[in-house]
Amino acid sequence: NAGVTQTPKFRILKIGQSMTLQCTQDMNHNYMYWYRQDPGMGLKLIYYSVGAGITDKGEVPNGYNVSRSTTEDFPLRLELAAPSQTSVYFCASSYYQKKTQYFGPGTRLLVL
Amino acid sequence: AQKITQTQPGMFVQEKEAVTLDCTYDTSDPSYGLFWYKQPSSGEMIFLIYQGSYDQQNATEGRYSLNFQKARKSANLVISASQLGDSAMYFCAMRVMDSNYQLIWGAGTKLIIKP
Repeated sequence: NAGVTQTPKFRILKIGQSMTLQCTQDMNHNYMYWYRQDPGMGLKLIYYSVGAGITDKGEVPNGYNVSRSTTEDFPLRLELAAPSQTSVYFCASSYYQKKTQYFGPGTRLLVL
Repeated sequence: AQKITQTQPGMFVQEKEAVTLDCTYDTSDPSYGLFWYKQPSSGEMIFLIYQGSYDQQNATEGRYSLNFQKARKSANLVISASQLGDSAMYFCAMRVMDSNYQLIWGAGTKLIIKP
């Protein structure tokens, strides 16, 4: 009963480095989402995908890229990491846009 | 503009008491959905309850119920018989067609249950 899984759980990056946050769901959900949560705040949508090969920007897409080559996977790429990208990143999925979103455990990222 | 407001940054409640977490929303879309999520200290986001704008009855899920007052644009979460394990952050979120059905989130309420 895996649901939505994310790796890594925690990562420290130096300014200017790049990394990919992995997200996989085994519920055959069409929709997948990436959020960031800054301390003491609610979630902000970075990117979302309505199916394999289709992605779109959310509220805060700058500094990130995504791809969706399969239904199961939705990786988030950070290029040229900046301290402002220090946050907790959540991946979520839903069957379609009107259905409940289910979340992964999150990735805590620290950029120094 | 679509907006979710949670006015209680933090709350302390005695164990076994009922607790109400406030959520007000703003949207001009007649079709919307309201969600509550729980985020314990471990960090994961756990779906609790959902209310659709056209639902006639208030949603209930075990000890959780949603007090939906459409005219007042409020969707308060009620937790009955609170338990120590209810200590967590609680987020209210709204989904509307105008935002392409993306979730709009409140800032959250930190609930602490006292033994």
